Amino acid sequence: LAKTTQPISMDSYEGQEVNITCSHNNIATNDYITWYQQFPSQGPRFIIQGYKTKVTNEVASLFIPADRKSSTLSLPRVSLSDTAVYYCLVGDGGSQGNLIFGKGTKLSVKP
Amino acid sequence: SAVISQKPSRDICQRGTSLTIQCQVDSQVTMMFWYRQQPGQSLTLIATANQGSEATYESGFVIDKFPISRPNLTFSTLTVSNMSPEDSSIYLCSVDRGKGAFFGQGTRLTVV
Repeated sequence: LAKTTQPISMDSYEGQEVNITCSHNNIATNDYITWYQQFPSQGPRFIIQGYKTKVTNEVASLFIPADRKSSTLSLPRVSLSDTAVYYCLVGDGGSQGNLIFGKGTKLSVKP
Repeated sequence: SAVISQKPSRDICQRGTSLTIQCQVDSQVTMMFWYRQQPGQSLTLIATANQGSEATYESGFVIDKFPISRPNLTFSTLTVSNMSPEDSSIYLCSVDRGKGAFFGQGTRLTVV
């Protein structure tokens, strides 16, 4: 599974758009990019998954350039409740169970 | 989505004892996964539990320390054996639902 690199932490204010970029230079052809969110004392929660270009759901957008060596999770108009650790993972989309988590990005949203 | 229930949610145990953590899923799944999250750290996969066969352990984890049972397609247990303070962590089970993994709330274990 490809290794990922993310910023350790980010700060933002309520109402701002937050973009978290993840590098995955060794991504394989059949790898998908998946983002998880983890609140303290809870298990990680699936946010979004994509393979190329752009994916959007009710929670976030995921931007993936043509070379797929990086991806950007975009959270529109964050609130205090978006304070969490965000993990970027890459791997075979058909086998999302045996995951390799990196250190994640700790997002702190301030009022 | 999947509903995953873990028991206990937390426990404080004496060193040298063992604790068995239960994971119940609301529907049948082929594989269940056990993770450990040490304080302030990311998640690390311990093992993959398949129904009807022995669990597959990741490097650094052994069956004698973390025996796993998988008696049916909706249930699994992880035992943390002969505990030491270094085993103090959150232990999580998860399942794959084809697009993303779903995690239980975790079991917060403190060994004193």
